[in-house]
Amino acid sequence: EPEVTQTPSHQVTQMGQEVILRCVPISNHLYFYWYRQILGQKVEFLVSFYNNEISEKSEIFDDQFSVERPDGSNFTLKIRSTKLEDSAMYFCASSIPGQGKTEAFFGQGTRLTVV
Amino acid sequence: EDKVVQSPLSLVVHEGDTVTLNCSYEVTNFRSLLWYKQEKKAPTFLFMLTSSGIEKKSGRLSSILDKKELFSILNITATQTGDSAIYLCAGAGGTSYGKLTFGQGTILTVHP
Repeated sequence: EPEVTQTPSHQVTQMGQEVILRCVPISNHLYFYWYRQILGQKVEFLVSFYNNEISEKSEIFDDQFSVERPDGSNFTLKIRSTKLEDSAMYFCASSIPGQGKTEAFFGQGTRLTVV
Repeated sequence: EDKVVQSPLSLVVHEGDTVTLNCSYEVTNFRSLLWYKQEKKAPTFLFMLTSSGIEKKSGRLSSILDKKELFSILNITATQTGDSAIYLCAGAGGTSYGKLTFGQGTILTVHP
């Protein structure tokens, strides 16, 4: 069964460092997303990406964050200068656009720990 | 601001019990209501509901949506220990497909 894959599964970084989280969405999906879940809190929407551009982003997704689809398969989230409060599980998701097909399928997540 | 509220926050039952999980939502440009099961890491998709009154069923799980009352329920009958997980409700809306607003989840614990 096709799945969304994320790497690495766990990343530890020092405050102020840049990190890149990587995702390979399901191959025939066209919408890509990043969500995050701080420990013990809700899953929160960060950004959606379609047709090589951001289609929607939340207030959390500030100038420290950026997304890119550098080739036909990868989808990345970059955090330029990490802060302690960026520590969270980051989930990539993908979906097929179209009426009635809004379900997003999630990857296993990358646990980011900022120290 | 979009909002999804789930209740109860946690539930402890014994195997064989039936449980009902609740979800209310206020989502701009609402398209659908989704239920996910979260065990160790990623949320795994259970149901997507777009129309009121039509029950979706998968084995012992079923769900229904009330678009007038902005409410959905997830039922699990004859619970098993493998049903222990966090059940997440999410509203799909906004301007992009798949932008989901999640509730805080219901932690279900099923004891043998």
